[in-house]
Formats: sequence, structure tokens, C-alpha cells
Amino acid sequence: EIVLTQSPATLSLSPGERATLSCRASQSVGIYLGWYQQKPGQAPRLLIYDASNRATGIAARFGGSGSGTDFTLTISSLEPEDFAVYYCQQRSNWPGTFGQGTKLEIK
Amino acid sequence: QVQLVQSGAEVKKPGASVKVSCKVSGLTLTEVCMHWVRQAPGKGLEWMGGCDPEDGETTYAQKFQGRVTMTEDTSTDTAYMELNSLRSEDTAVYYCGKDYGSGYVEDWGQGTLVTVSS
Repeated sequence: EIVLTQSPATLSLSPGERATLSCRASQSVGIYLGWYQQKPGQAPRLLIYDASNRATGIAARFGGSGSGTDFTLTISSLEPEDFAVYYCQQRSNWPGTFGQGTKLEIK
Repeated sequence: QVQLVQSGAEVKKPGASVKVSCKVSGLTLTEVCMHWVRQAPGKGLEWMGGCDPEDGETTYAQKFQGRVTMTEDTSTDTAYMELNSLRSEDTAVYYCGKDYGSGYVEDWGQGTLVTVSS
């Protein structure tokens, strides 16, 4: 099973700032990594698939990069609605696995 | 519009089984791959199993093998997840989700809370 490790566990930033979230895989997943956003009481929402492709309807301020074992989710300028928990997920080695999540909180 | 509507909350005793349903509308089950993910209170997401994007076969996470069964009724476009031998650690919100073969959950059900308590 591929283990995904996200960092940091919590990120405290202000609206308008740039957020950088990391996800590291225990072995290469190629480009087969996605990112989800989850707000309290809601189901997750797919943001990014295959490392760098935005899902349908996702704002351009969300960007993904990386390959192999190291991946990054970048939010270029934080909006108030972006404060949530973010998870990475790999689909290279089935069944998929999730990272433990990064909580993005308002500073 | 694609919708995934799950069955209601359940309370079960340890050792019992639970079967959660997920009805799909706006498309048919034959068009999509279904997945199941759970989330314990205050914890992260945990992949239970689902359709392998490479071959379409349902695969279970090792942790749940022997205890979980995922099935589909294409006549009613309803997917099911049954978990046996429940224990308190299985208390969680269970989500169904679907994709078109990408391996990422593109649409989610609203979640079903399963509480295991004596």
C-alpha cells in the first residue's frame, strides 16, 4: 500500500496570501495524484486530478504540480471560502489511498 | 444533473452488519465506476474500495478484505456497501462516490452516518 504523507498538518494564513501544501508518496505514483477540499459537514470535492489538471468548475487560483513522489497544491491568493481541510489521493496503485490531510485555517 | 443519494443513518450493535445504499440519478451505473470512502468522527478520509480504473474490477482495501462487500443493482442504478462484524471503530460517515474511470471521486453522495454502539 502506498502511504501519502501531507505537510504541514495545519497551515495558518490570511486571505490574499499564497498557500502551498505538500504531499509525499512512499513510492512513485507517476502523475496519478489528486487533491480534494473538504469543509465541515460536507462531502469532499475534487480539485485537481493527475497532479496538475483542475477538475470541472474549479477556480484558476488552485494549481497542482509534481510527479513521482513529491506533489504540491498551490492556492495563489486565498479567498475566505478556501479555509478547509485538503487531502491528496493516489490512484497509481489500486485501491487508492489518501493522505492524512492538511487543515488550512485563518490566521 | 448527476446525483448520488445515500440511505439514512444507522445504529448497529457490535458484531452486526450494515448495508448502505447509494442511488445514482442522471446517469446509469453501467456508465461509471463506484467507490466507497469512510470518515471516522474528527478523522481523515479512508478508502474502502472501488472500481479499479485499469480493469473496472472492484477491489477492496486490504484492511477491509473479508469484511466488506460492494455490489451494484443496475436495474435500479443503486450501489451497495455491506460491512460485517461491526466494531466501535467502524463508527463513521460512509460516502459513496463515482468517476468515469479516472480513479478519482468526481461526485460524492451526501454521506451516511453509521454508529456502532452496545
